[in-house]
Amino acid sequence: KNEVEQSPQNLTAQEGEFITINCSYSVGISALHWLQQHPGGGIVSLFMLSSGKKKHGRLIATINIQEKHSSLHITASHPRDSAVYICAVYSGGSNYKLTFGKGTLLTVNP
Amino acid sequence: DTAVSQTPKYLVTQMGNDKSIKCEQNLGHDTMYWYKQDSKKFLKIMFSYNNKELIINETVPNRFSPKSPDKAHLNLHINSLELGDSAVYFCASSQAGSYNSPLHFGNGTRLTVT
Repeated sequence: KNEVEQSPQNLTAQEGEFITINCSYSVGISALHWLQQHPGGGIVSLFMLSSGKKKHGRLIATINIQEKHSSLHITASHPRDSAVYICAVYSGGSNYKLTFGKGTLLTVNP
Repeated sequence: DTAVSQTPKYLVTQMGNDKSIKCEQNLGHDTMYWYKQDSKKFLKIMFSYNNKELIINETVPNRFSPKSPDKAHLNLHINSLELGDSAVYFCASSQAGSYNSPLHFGNGTRLTVT
């Protein structure tokens, strides 16, 4: 069992819908990252958070440390949001090691 | 003004060959990484360097050898390539480890071993 589990694995939505992607982890963490991988392959860091909530444009990320759970929300989804969204956790120590979830493939149809 | 650049973008080679992938960052970060993304799109850390010093060396065959001539560069050399090495390799960098700073990724190198 992976230390980081994402759900759903695949998600198809219509343009304008509110999207939620979930990430659960089984280890104690210091920080959690949300990444976006475009169809062309490039990876972009969306958020890094260790508590509470962060917002950037139409994207919102929340984390509940006690429940070991994070969510990524996309409001008013658009076809350009179609990508793989990856959750990764940093469990501390000086080794800078991230453990990744397997990603959620989001397809937003016009 | 690319932040993290890696070359080449595509690499097709035969089994048994030796190849290198280069990575450079101009962000002034002191930590650099190599990640491998397999055919199922699963990312896994291979190596991490902090200020030219090896920090992480995951369970990677010793055919893979990272080299960091300075903190702006982290190259990956692979000896005796095998079919199973086919994957996309990503270089990344961050300031002071990934705990309190975002990661910046290169565009990836798609390695195909035939």
